[in-house]
Amino acid sequence: GAVVSQHPSWVICKSGTSVKIECRSLDFQATTMFWYRQFPKQSLMLMATSNEGSKATYEQGVEKDKFLINHASLTLSTLTVTSAHPEDSSFYICSADPMGQGASDTQYFGPGTRLTVL
Amino acid sequence: GDSVTQMEGPVTLSEEAFLTINCTYTATGYPSLFWYVQYPGEGLQLLLKATKADDKGSNKGFEATYRKETTSFHLEKGSVQVSDSAVYFCALSINTDKLIFGTGTRLQVFP
Repeated sequence: GAVVSQHPSWVICKSGTSVKIECRSLDFQATTMFWYRQFPKQSLMLMATSNEGSKATYEQGVEKDKFLINHASLTLSTLTVTSAHPEDSSFYICSADPMGQGASDTQYFGPGTRLTVL
Repeated sequence: GDSVTQMEGPVTLSEEAFLTINCTYTATGYPSLFWYVQYPGEGLQLLLKATKADDKGSNKGFEATYRKETTSFHLEKGSVQVSDSAVYFCALSINTDKLIFGTGTRLQVFP
């Protein structure tokens, strides 16, 4: 149980295009999902907290208009990288917090999506 | 600000060797501490945790003790197996869902 999937697992796109990454909780509902970004040999950095039915909360320094987050249902959150540039190339990881848990250690993580922008 | 520092990898060991992966932290409050493991092709999974000083988290033969005096949470296992090969992340959280991660340490265990 408690599986989180991400799609796609790997994507290459041209500079200037937009890319959408999906995060799904497969066997549970999640009011809160989190989006992280990881550069090579660096920590996972929290980008934003996504709450079902409301606007996402972005961390300081993360461009809201560039990284669009939509949490339209209790099992799906999407991250759209708009007008992607090579510096957006990274590993994007989502996690989901089951309803009503509210504790850090109940986050379930997806396997990640590697984005390469040419 | 709050941060986590862990040793760079890869850590390469033979099966049945003793494992230590160092983790130290900086925090303004009283954090909970975690170790997550990521097996190839899978998402991060919680391995163990400790919520207050001197607590010891343990799971699957792994242990880590919350040392407030040295601000450390080193991961240990007495006898590693090939199946333990993965990337290990140390992390902290203060009061909220927000997790602050270290850079991860890749462990490679050879038969």
